[in-house]
Amino acid sequence: EAGVAQSPRYKIIEKRQSVAFWCNPISGHATLYWYQQILGQGPKLLIQFQNNGVVDDSQLPKDRFSAERLKGVDSTLKIQPAKLEDSAVYLCASSWQLPFMGNIQYFGAGTRLSVL
Amino acid sequence: AQTVTQSQPEMSVQEAETVTLSCTYDTSENNYYLFWYKQPPSRQMILVIRQEAYKQQNATENRFSVNFQKAAKSFSLKISDSQLGDTAMYFCAFINPTGANSKLTFGKGITLSVRP
Repeated sequence: EAGVAQSPRYKIIEKRQSVAFWCNPISGHATLYWYQQILGQGPKLLIQFQNNGVVDDSQLPKDRFSAERLKGVDSTLKIQPAKLEDSAVYLCASSWQLPFMGNIQYFGAGTRLSVL
Repeated sequence: AQTVTQSQPEMSVQEAETVTLSCTYDTSENNYYLFWYKQPPSRQMILVIRQEAYKQQNATENRFSVNFQKAAKSFSLKISDSQLGDTAMYFCAFINPTGANSKLTFGKGITLSVRP
């Protein structure tokens, strides 16, 4: 079974530039998550999709971050414009069902973003 | 709000020995799930073990086992016969399964180094 795919693996940009990350979840997984992991910390949930609808985006900085999941499969996360404090690893995860079923989240390898 | 605390920033163990990683959490809920995830330098989060709060029996997966103390809100991970490949960051995580937008809350992680 193929895992969660993310690209790119690394990205370096200057502040105020834009950047986009792509995620392809495990086939059949209805729920998709984007996490931000700042160095030395645990991942923090940014947004959660159920199929192509947003379930939770309470911690997404909506003035600069946006995300979409077209057709309930692939997802993109965009930052525009980027700030220095956005430097982090951005992890995508997917699961079969909603979290309240206690289902396991499977993670991709993440994108390391450096904002200079 | 739920919180997960990992108070040890790093630990070191000799190959083939046993090590225990500590985790405490805070919640007012009675039904929840606890996880230990491993994050090697490749950055991909890998599930090590899962515990359902309603189960009294401690979860075990090969060399990995937990000591789940519900009353004390403690969830430690024991790694037996440590191997070099166990070197990684380990994150304790909690999820409250009620509601569709329940979040997976991570601790800050602990860096485990296995010495040859």
